[in-house]
Amino acid sequence: GESVGLHLPTLSVQEGDNSIINCAYSNSASDYFIWYKQESGKGPQFIIDIRSNMDKRQGQRVTVLLNKTVKHLSLQIAATQPGDSAVYFCAEIPNTGNQFYFGTGTSLTVIP
Amino acid sequence: EPEVTQTPSHQVTQMGQEVILRCVPISNHLYFYWYRQILGQKVEFLVSFYNNEISEKSEIFDDQFSVERPDGSNFTLKIRSTKLEDSAMYFCASSGNYQGGGEKLFFGSGTQLSVL
Repeated sequence: GESVGLHLPTLSVQEGDNSIINCAYSNSASDYFIWYKQESGKGPQFIIDIRSNMDKRQGQRVTVLLNKTVKHLSLQIAATQPGDSAVYFCAEIPNTGNQFYFGTGTSLTVIP
Repeated sequence: EPEVTQTPSHQVTQMGQEVILRCVPISNHLYFYWYRQILGQKVEFLVSFYNNEISEKSEIFDDQFSVERPDGSNFTLKIRSTKLEDSAMYFCASSGNYQGGGEKLFFGSGTQLSVL
C-alpha cells in the first residue's frame, strides 16, 4: 500500500515561535497534498493544500512547502499560538484514485 | 459554516453484534467517505461513495462492512458482525467534487466504536 509518514511524532514550541512539521511521502504519482489539523475529540480539519506543480503555497500564518525530488512536504506555522496545539496530518492523493493516504501525525504542543 | 454530522459520538457493542454508524454529509456534496483511526495510528481509508454506489474501497472494507445512503441526507456505515479489532474512531467525510480536482474533504467529529 501507500506510505505517508512523519519524521517526528511530537513537537513542542514556545508560543510566538515558528513551527515546522515534516512529512515524507512515497508515491511519486501523487499530485495533490493536504495538511489537516486534528484537535482532541474532533475530526481532521483542512489547513492548506498544494498541487504537485507548485513548490510553495501560503495561507494565513501557514506555509506548505513541497519538495518532489525527495518526496517531502512540510508545514510551517508562523507565530505559533496555544490554539495551534493539535495533531497535524499530511495526506497525499495519487492521481490514480480518489482516496487520501494519511500519515501517522505529529502532535504539536505550544508552551505558553 | 456547513459541517458533517455524525451520530452517535460513542458506541459500545458486544463482539458479534451489528452496528450502524450514521452520518449527515454537507447537503450539496456529492462524494461521501468513511475513514477510521485506531488509537495512536493514522487515519485509514475505508470506502468512497458516489452516485449511490461504492466508487472505491480499501482492503479493510471486507464483506462485514456495507454503506448505504437511504435517503437524501443520511450516509451510513454498517458492520455486520463486529470484531475486537473494529474498535476505532470512525470518521465520515464528504466533498463536493472529485478529490483529485482539488476539492478538500470535510470531516465529521467521528464515532468512537468500542467492541467488547
